[in-house]
Amino acid sequence: DAGVTQSPTHLIKTRGQHVTLRCSPISGHKSVSWYQQVLGQGPQFIFQYYEKEERGRGNFPDRFSARQFPNYSSELNVNALLLGDSALYLCASSRATDTQYFGPGTRLTVL
Amino acid sequence: DQQVKQNSPSLSVQEGRISILNCDYTNSMFDYFLWYKKYPAEGPTFLISISSIKDKNEDGRFTVFLNKSAKHLSLHIVPSQPGDSAVYFCAASAFSSNTGKLIFGQGTTLQVKP
Repeated sequence: DAGVTQSPTHLIKTRGQHVTLRCSPISGHKSVSWYQQVLGQGPQFIFQYYEKEERGRGNFPDRFSARQFPNYSSELNVNALLLGDSALYLCASSRATDTQYFGPGTRLTVL
Repeated sequence: DQQVKQNSPSLSVQEGRISILNCDYTNSMFDYFLWYKKYPAEGPTFLISISSIKDKNEDGRFTVFLNKSAKHLSLHIVPSQPGDSAVYFCAASAFSSNTGKLIFGQGTTLQVKP
């Protein structure tokens, strides 16, 4: 079975630009969560979506938004990029609020 | 406010010996705990979990122990293998919150020497 997939794997943007990251969950999983991981720290929770509705939101500014589509895939959008947004962005899927399985991540570099 | 803490940034053990990774938490609402392993340039891989109604869970070489009164959990790997060398994260969630939000520790880098 295919695991969680994310695209793109790497991305370079400049300050002020907008970025869209994509995630496809494991087949049968209806929940997608997004995390940000900066070097030397554990992943930080950004959003969780379940059945296309936002279930949880972490302590991130409104520049961060997400949505989930009818096929349960998801997009994370970040507007007005800052240097501090450079990080590994991880997507995780689960059936509901149980064990989350992570994708390989998207490495975002903001110059 | 670091609700989940892994106070040892690194650990080095000999192949075949036991590896013990520790994690402390502060939030009494946490009722589900997980351990993930992460290799460079990959996403975290789920290893093992434990519900707060248990104090021990085993899966092959991996055992997780939960001490609720001390708000402490540990991961034991026996015997340790060189392929276990990675960063290990503990994570916690409040199942009852229904948000699926995981709070992660800072990670412990395990090195298993041949």
